[in-house]
Amino acid sequence: DAGVIQSPRHEVTEMGQEVTLRCKPISGHDYLFWYRQTMMRGLELLIYFNNNVPIDDSGMPEDRFSAKMPNASFSTLKIQPSEPRDSAVYFCASSLAGGGNTQYFGPGTRLTVL
Amino acid sequence: SQQGEEDPQALSIQEGENATMNCSYKTSINNLQWYRQNSGRGLVHLILIRSNEREKHSGRLRVTLDTSKKSSSLLITASRAADTASYFCATAGNKLTFGGGTRVLVKP
Repeated sequence: DAGVIQSPRHEVTEMGQEVTLRCKPISGHDYLFWYRQTMMRGLELLIYFNNNVPIDDSGMPEDRFSAKMPNASFSTLKIQPSEPRDSAVYFCASSLAGGGNTQYFGPGTRLTVL
Repeated sequence: SQQGEEDPQALSIQEGENATMNCSYKTSINNLQWYRQNSGRGLVHLILIRSNEREKHSGRLRVTLDTSKKSSSLLITASRAADTASYFCATAGNKLTFGGGTRVLVKP
């Protein structure tokens, strides 16, 4: 298996622009997680899905952030409009059967908002 | 808020030495997991210990769990330069909650 795939790996954009991050989970995994990692705040869970349905989005910082999972093999995290404080590394992870099970992380997307 | 808190925040050792890091948490858990993150990479799962287990081994890794003290430790024996990374504990209730991590530097 190729593991969790994320794209793009790096994204540089200007403040106010829309940013879309993409994730393909491991085939057969029914949980998908989006995290944000910064030096100041560490690793934060933004939202997670079970069987394509959002279960907990309490970590989404504000309405500028939205996430979708239209099918079992694809998810997006969108920031519109982006701000410099959104600069971080965004990770997608997937797991099999349960929020407390082992999670498999993608390589991350490093986002820089100028 | 973070459930797991690692200690120390950073650790520097010589190759061949053992590295020990600790994790404390506040609420009851189903299991506790340790992950490694190399610079610029995603987290990689190392080991999972269930709440009814006290010790677990995997290669050069040894994990202990003391649910009465709400703490866990990760020991890396005979460290190598390739063990240089950040190590995170993650506590599992209905979801995983990650601590702030311990940065480990293994000097050749």
